[in-house]
Amino acid sequence: KAGVTQTPRYLIKTRGQQVTLSCSPISGHRSVSWYQQTPGQGLQFLFEYFSETQRNKGNFPGRFSGRQFSNSRSEMNVSTLELGDSALYLCASSRNRGGLSNTEAFFGQGTRLTVV
Amino acid sequence: TQLLEQSPQFLSIQEGENLTVYCNSSSVFSSLQWYRQEPGEGPVLLVTVVTGGEVKKLKRLTFQFGDARKDSSLHITAAQPGDTGLYLCAGAEGNNFNKFYFGSGTKLNVKP
Repeated sequence: KAGVTQTPRYLIKTRGQQVTLSCSPISGHRSVSWYQQTPGQGLQFLFEYFSETQRNKGNFPGRFSGRQFSNSRSEMNVSTLELGDSALYLCASSRNRGGLSNTEAFFGQGTRLTVV
Repeated sequence: TQLLEQSPQFLSIQEGENLTVYCNSSSVFSSLQWYRQEPGEGPVLLVTVVTGGEVKKLKRLTFQFGDARKDSSLHITAAQPGDTGLYLCAGAEGNNFNKFYFGSGTKLNVKP
């Protein structure tokens, strides 16, 4: 069974540019969450999508957005990149059919974004 | 401000030693998970605990969820170099099982 796949693995962008990251969840998983990981702040929740709808949102500016497609694949976009956006962006998928046994989140390897 | 505080932040021990990592919060969590993350990789789920007072064992790892579901501990017996990594706890509040708050992590180094 394939795991969570994130592309690309590494990305270098210039300040002011925009970037789109992609996440393919585990087959059968309908919930996709995005996290930002930095040495200073640790892992911080960005947003979560379920059945193409944003269900939860963290405390990030509007430059961070996302979407989910009918096949549960998800993309996140960051516009007007800042140096501080350099981070490892992680995507996690889960079944979320209800019930605690279905709440485990499985993470991808992440996309390492460097803004110069 | 971190909702979940982990301690210690760093731990360097010799192979064969025992250790305990703590995850504390003032909030009640409906479930709590422990992950291990290696450099350049995503976190890998180790265990989920959901019941106050619950104890789960995974080979040399023992996980405990506090009675009040506000804290948890991870105990490793006879640590091995393969246990080296960043250990993260993550809690889900209330019925929102898809928004996890992560602790700051404990970076463990086990020296051979």
